Amino acid sequence: SQKIEQNSEALNIQEGKTATLTCNYTNYSPAYLQWYRQDPGRGPVFLLLIRENEKEKRKERLKVTFDTTLKQSLFHITASQPADSATYLCALYNQGGKLIFGQGTELSVKP
Amino acid sequence: EPEVTQTPSHQVTQMGQEVILRCVPISNHLYFYWYRQILGQKVEFLVSFYNNEISEKSEIFDDQFSVERPDGSNFTLKIRSTKLEDSAMYFCASSEEEISNQPQHFGDGTRLSIL
Repeated sequence: SQKIEQNSEALNIQEGKTATLTCNYTNYSPAYLQWYRQDPGRGPVFLLLIRENEKEKRKERLKVTFDTTLKQSLFHITASQPADSATYLCALYNQGGKLIFGQGTELSVKP
Repeated sequence: EPEVTQTPSHQVTQMGQEVILRCVPISNHLYFYWYRQILGQKVEFLVSFYNNEISEKSEIFDDQFSVERPDGSNFTLKIRSTKLEDSAMYFCASSEEEISNQPQHFGDGTRLSIL
């Protein structure tokens, strides 16, 4: 069955540094991969989407890469701020609108 | 910016009772979804809905679950006879289209606690 794995350990970094989060998947060949942010007690919020033929996508301080050979996506936040502290989820689309989510990586940015 | 709204924010129900969770999707969206998240676990897909029909459902979405769009704005999830293991956050989402390059917009969820 399709599986998505994200770093289960929390990532703690200093303000101003770059945070890098990893998403690996198996038994799947997605055309698109999405990244969401989830704050405690809130619903996921869409951040970025990357297509299989795009190596890289940027939006302000966010950058996503997609390597279909490695079956991996990397999510980078540059010049991180305490307000970036949240759980970041990667998701793959399946038929019928179904999104399959990873378990998320909790990011904590210390001032 | 338009948003998905869910009510109630917290529902406490006795085991075996019926519960209805309500959602108002974004007004021009045509595709609607329910997901759940058990505390500390992944967000899991339950069901997708389009044109008054279920498009896709997961193994979790058994005969105890049903969805309905009773009017032009609301989208509901009913659990007929709740079990302890139904305790979770339930998220409603909507999208303009049901294709892979469309983001889904989520509400802030209903926390369902079964006693």
